[in-house]
Amino acid sequence: DTGVSQDPRHKITKRGQNVTFRCDPISEHNRLYWYRQTLGQGPEFLTYFQNEAQLEKSRLLSDRFSAERPKGSFSTLEIQRTEQGDSAMYLCASSLDNTIYFGEGSWLTVV
Amino acid sequence: QQQVKQSPQSLIVQKGGISIINCAYENTAFDYFPWYQQFPGKGPALLIAIRPDVSEKKEGRFTISFNKSAKQFSLHIMDSQPGDSATYFCAATRAGASKLTFGTGTRLQVTL
Repeated sequence: DTGVSQDPRHKITKRGQNVTFRCDPISEHNRLYWYRQTLGQGPEFLTYFQNEAQLEKSRLLSDRFSAERPKGSFSTLEIQRTEQGDSAMYLCASSLDNTIYFGEGSWLTVV
Repeated sequence: QQQVKQSPQSLIVQKGGISIINCAYENTAFDYFPWYQQFPGKGPALLIAIRPDVSEKKEGRFTISFNKSAKQFSLHIMDSQPGDSATYFCAATRAGASKLTFGTGTRLQVTL
């Protein structure tokens, strides 16, 4: 399968713990995005990489969130000191041009 | 500021009917308009997309109609099937931009 791959697909964590999600984009896609989606809402942009450079961050991305794409390939999204409000699906996407392809998402539940 | 408005919020259509979902945008710099289909528990899947240099694009049973002067675009699903039951999101972006701006979604149910 050559689509966008995300891991883990589901994560349940206690409030205050740190969690990390991994995204493997479609091969050769130089752009990588993270979005967040809550139930009944459309995806909301969090951050964007072109190759290894993080070029844009949303105001939604508080200082507890950090994303990296160290070699311009896979990316990680870490959430520190999780809060119940962080419960959502975290979507990774990649593109070569304007056509953006999403992964299946990583569901986070903070209890 | 919501830059892409989508309606209706939910839609029930009989099998074989036409489903129509509408979107309106504000930012005239937008020049790429995709539609995504999302099933429960899955990520959004690209369905069809249009650029403003054409007024209509058709792929199988799915058609996008685009009205540049009105800043509106719509998705038409012909011969709707129960398997089309999903949430549909319109989106917009501009060339070279870093992100999509999504509408709020339309939950489509196709009944037998």
